[in-house]
Amino acid sequence: QSALTQPASVSGSPGQSITISCTGTSSDVGSFNLVSWYQQHPDKAPKLIIYEVTNRPSGVSNRFSGSKSGDTASLTISGLQAEDEADYYCCSYAGSSSVVFGGGTKLTVL
Amino acid sequence: QVQLVESGGGLVKPGGSLRLSCAASGFTFSDYYMSWIRQAPGKGLEWVSYISSRASTIYHADSVKGRFTISRDNAKNLMDLQMNSLRAEDTAVYYCVRMRGYHLDVWGQGTTVTVSS
Repeated sequence: QSALTQPASVSGSPGQSITISCTGTSSDVGSFNLVSWYQQHPDKAPKLIIYEVTNRPSGVSNRFSGSKSGDTASLTISGLQAEDEADYYCCSYAGSSSVVFGGGTKLTVL
Repeated sequence: QVQLVESGGGLVKPGGSLRLSCAASGFTFSDYYMSWIRQAPGKGLEWVSYISSRASTIYHADSVKGRFTISRDNAKNLMDLQMNSLRAEDTAVYYCVRMRGYHLDVWGQGTTVTVSS
């Protein structure tokens, strides 16, 4: 399975909103509502922030939201804060018991 | 509290073997699928292997198929990853992770595997 495609980097100023895209194919993102998103700060383990496209785990800020259209999933962070600066990864079920990650996006808060 | 603790990482020569372990606590281990996820230095995440709650379903990524074997002992709340024929490209931090559906909701702190002569 090929990795999902994410932009290498995005940036925004505090208080702004940003969106990170995650493009797959009709065999993964397009076929299943099983996209998840993870936040990773430097030298830390990743943390689940969105699952099954739009769901937020308990304790995750409602500033994080997810969506999907066709073969592309998106993560939107509203009201950017300095603590949001991190790497973000999408992940999707890809059929036949396989799962695939995106390459990751580095978010810089200016 | 829910916790996953990995052990067994270290330095190994190319072609060598290593066995990683993951000790789970704070939840009913036998109810959950479990995974190993790895991250090479400066790189992204890669799903290595997962195992169903009763070990009836096992998945290995193509990159490790035939070399790595995942297993679990529900009586001891343990999951292992036996890694054979190790290559330089297997160098990574290996995370033990709990699965819910096809998302990963609890992560260990990771254990580092370095394959080098």
